[in-house]
Amino acid sequence: NAGVTQTPKFQVLKTGQSMTLQCAQDMNHNSMYWYRQDPGMGLRLIYYSASEGTTDKGEVPNGYNVSRLNKREFSLRLESAAPSQTSVYFCASREQGRGSNQPQHFGDGTRLSIL
Amino acid sequence: EDQVTQSPEALRLQEGESSSLNCSYTVSGLRGLFWYRQDPGKGPEFLFTLYSAGEEKEKERLKATLTKKESFLHITAPKPEDSATYLCAVQERGSTLGRLYFGRGTQLTVWP
Repeated sequence: NAGVTQTPKFQVLKTGQSMTLQCAQDMNHNSMYWYRQDPGMGLRLIYYSASEGTTDKGEVPNGYNVSRLNKREFSLRLESAAPSQTSVYFCASREQGRGSNQPQHFGDGTRLSIL
Repeated sequence: EDQVTQSPEALRLQEGESSSLNCSYTVSGLRGLFWYRQDPGKGPEFLFTLYSAGEEKEKERLKATLTKKESFLHITAPKPEDSATYLCAVQERGSTLGRLYFGRGTQLTVWP
């Protein structure tokens, strides 16, 4: 039962470097989400994707781009990393069911430090 | 202004000492309220969904309840393994994409 898998688990970058965080789910879910979690703050939505081929901005999208590669995979890219993007990044997925509120299921996160 | 407020920020309980965590929300209409548990170094793990005032859900030593503007997570006779951060999140009515607004969490420590 893999669920939501995120890679890498840890990463250290220098300011200005770029990188892509990977997320894959094996639950055949339509919707996928990227959050960041900072000390003393709640999870904040960066981007989400309701289905393959669609993406929308969340609460804190600046400095990030996303790609919904297929139904399973949703990647998050930092084009030019800044120290303010030091955070723990979580990917989640959800089955979009009519008439019900399916919960989001989370991966174990990528811990990203930008020096 | 936060749409979801959790209190207390941190709670220390002795094993067996029951207590409650609070989650209040200000969204105009609620489609669903979710409780998650998060262990250090892990992602949030889903516990409960509540939909309407008066609803209750139970799982082992945990019981979640919902009123019109807040939810409580009651912990009965907690054990050290219940130590974790508990997160509350709400989905607004009219949201069909499952977008959630999270509180900052309550860090629970249960000591023997």
